[in-house]
Amino acid sequence: GAGVSQSPRYKVAKRGQDVALRCDPISGHVSLFWYQQALGQGPEFLTYFQNEAQLDKSGLPSDRFFAERPEGSVSTLKIQRTQQEDSAVYLCASSFWLPGLAIYNEQFFGPGTRLTVL
Amino acid sequence: GQQLNQSPQSMFIQEGEDVSMNCTSSSIFNTWLWYKQDPGEGPVLLIALYKAGELTSNGRLTAQFGITRKDSFLNISASIPSDVGIYFCAGQRNTPLVFGKGTRLSVIA
Repeated sequence: GAGVSQSPRYKVAKRGQDVALRCDPISGHVSLFWYQQALGQGPEFLTYFQNEAQLDKSGLPSDRFFAERPEGSVSTLKIQRTQQEDSAVYLCASSFWLPGLAIYNEQFFGPGTRLTVL
Repeated sequence: GQQLNQSPQSMFIQEGEDVSMNCTSSSIFNTWLWYKQDPGEGPVLLIALYKAGELTSNGRLTAQFGITRKDSFLNISASIPSDVGIYFCAGQRNTPLVFGKGTRLSVIA
């Protein structure tokens, strides 16, 4: 497809379950980002990949959150032992990174996965 | 996590009116961005600002990068019903974006 796609679009989990959220970035985009958006809030940064390398995971809220991008394309965000406070929309974004370019590399966002933990 | 101070939180305006919203930060940013998010969708970039003092227009939208690099505003002129949505400012210093909490715009026809 032409844009960033995410699946599933909606996920309901019981507290304590593990979940896996998938992101398919725009073809050729080197950089991939995960954001968490709580209800009524702006997106908050979770983690960032450049190709398969996870360069920044400072935003992951706990060690229950894990992200991977093994082949530098599709990424999966995994949340173990989900808690109610994990309920949010999880947004994925990708950008075409150009080394040494000072100008902003636009991040294109997917539609998000809405996670509800009961 | 850090979020920018964005105001107002919500606005109800008549179709045809102009709209203004702003964003402030305690930190300096190298880039300021304005996004619009529709229900069930991800944010879509409206305007990007790269230099302090820069004033940029995109159709009916005008945005400015504050001279102190700690603030930005967005103006929408002659609002129309499709302007309804949530507008977010975002600042960038390194790679991840830091977002505001959003301004929810409602347009009354």
